[in-house]
Amino acid sequence: AQKITQTQPGMFVQEKEAVTLDCTYDTSDQSYGLFWYKQPSSGEMIFLIYQGSYDEQNATEGRYSLNFQKARKSANLVISASQLGDSAMYFCAMRAQGAQKLVFGQGTRLTINP
Amino acid sequence: EPEVTQTPSHQVTQMGQEVILRCVPISNHLYFYWYRQILGQKVEFLVSFYNNEISEKSEIFDDQFSVERPDGSNFTLKIRSTKLEDSAMYFCASSEEWTVNQPQHFGDGTRLSIL
Repeated sequence: AQKITQTQPGMFVQEKEAVTLDCTYDTSDQSYGLFWYKQPSSGEMIFLIYQGSYDEQNATEGRYSLNFQKARKSANLVISASQLGDSAMYFCAMRAQGAQKLVFGQGTRLTINP
Repeated sequence: EPEVTQTPSHQVTQMGQEVILRCVPISNHLYFYWYRQILGQKVEFLVSFYNNEISEKSEIFDDQFSVERPDGSNFTLKIRSTKLEDSAMYFCASSEEWTVNQPQHFGDGTRLSIL
């Protein structure tokens, strides 16, 4: 079974600073994918970035990057130059090869202060 | 950019009634999913659907729940005899393929309130 752990229930960051949201995972599968989603206060789930277990390079997507450390089973999301609009709930999720479901962590509520 | 559309955005229903939540997945996607998120909790998988069949379901998805693709565009979740604990945000999602690297794209959700 897969498990995702997000240990930061809330984070407060000053605008324009970089922020790292932690995610650790547990799986016995060799092939899996890791995803980050953003959930603003309006409630929708927005896909941000993906990292494959066999990818040798860390994924990047605009201001989002993923710090993937396979040996530590961590997949931290880094947001550079944070903006007020980044304030939201952020979920780390995992999908194992052969499974169709995404397994989500508890989420981290990020607040960007002006 | 194509998106998953869910209706209604908010549904209020009396306990014991049946409710149908509707979704229009992204048009070229073949795999469809329902998730739920009880207020303040994490997102939980309910069911996945492909080729007019359920392909995977969680222990939450019991006989009270059913899914259907009644036509070429809609994908529905029916909840029979609703209970107070069914109150949650229900998300529909779709993906183009089944492979592990394919992101699932979510709709805006339907907030279901059972009174």
